[in-house]
Amino acid sequence: GIQVEQSPPDLILQEGANSTLRCNFSDSVNNLQWFHQNPWGQLINLFYIPSGTKQNGRLSATTVATERYSLLYISSSQTTDSGVYFCAVGGATSGSRLTFGEGTQLTVNP
Amino acid sequence: EPEVTQTPSHQVTQMGQEVILRCVPISNHLYFYWYRQILGQKVEFLVSFYNNEISEKSEIFDDQFSVERPDGSNFTLKIRSTKLEDSAMYFCASRNEGEQFFGPGTRLTVL
Repeated sequence: GIQVEQSPPDLILQEGANSTLRCNFSDSVNNLQWFHQNPWGQLINLFYIPSGTKQNGRLSATTVATERYSLLYISSSQTTDSGVYFCAVGGATSGSRLTFGEGTQLTVNP
Repeated sequence: EPEVTQTPSHQVTQMGQEVILRCVPISNHLYFYWYRQILGQKVEFLVSFYNNEISEKSEIFDDQFSVERPDGSNFTLKIRSTKLEDSAMYFCASRNEGEQFFGPGTRLTVL
């Protein structure tokens, strides 16, 4: 099946800093979603972005499907941005299931 | 804004007992999913459901698991005889086109 790799696995920032999280995948995709898992374990949808660029406030994401990667940008980070960020992909040949990466654990210190 | 809901939010059960986790997908969605996340690990696909039947399942989804859409709104996951290793967060999701929308999860603890 499709492989999903996220980097870095851990990231520690000071409040106000910017960061870039990366998601590489091994096959063509027809779905790519970014999630933030909050301290209560809920998966919060950030972006549905199988291709192109989207922005939502301080967050933006870009997927370059032909090169098999996606980037999540967080600008002016806040302590509430802390948590695990997951990339999940649906492959063109793997049905409609989402395959999740291992996640990036982000800690934003005040 | 419509959302996926799940009940209960927490469930504690004894090993060997049956549990039923319930989900109410978004009302006009046609595709339904269950995923699970063991503590500290990534989210894993269990099963997908469309047109009143399983469309895909993972190797995790063995004979101890079953899914059902008993009426027009609920979607359930049953674990027949729980094991300690079934302790996890279970997420339901639904979609029409493209994006999958996830519920808040049910945290299952098997003692």
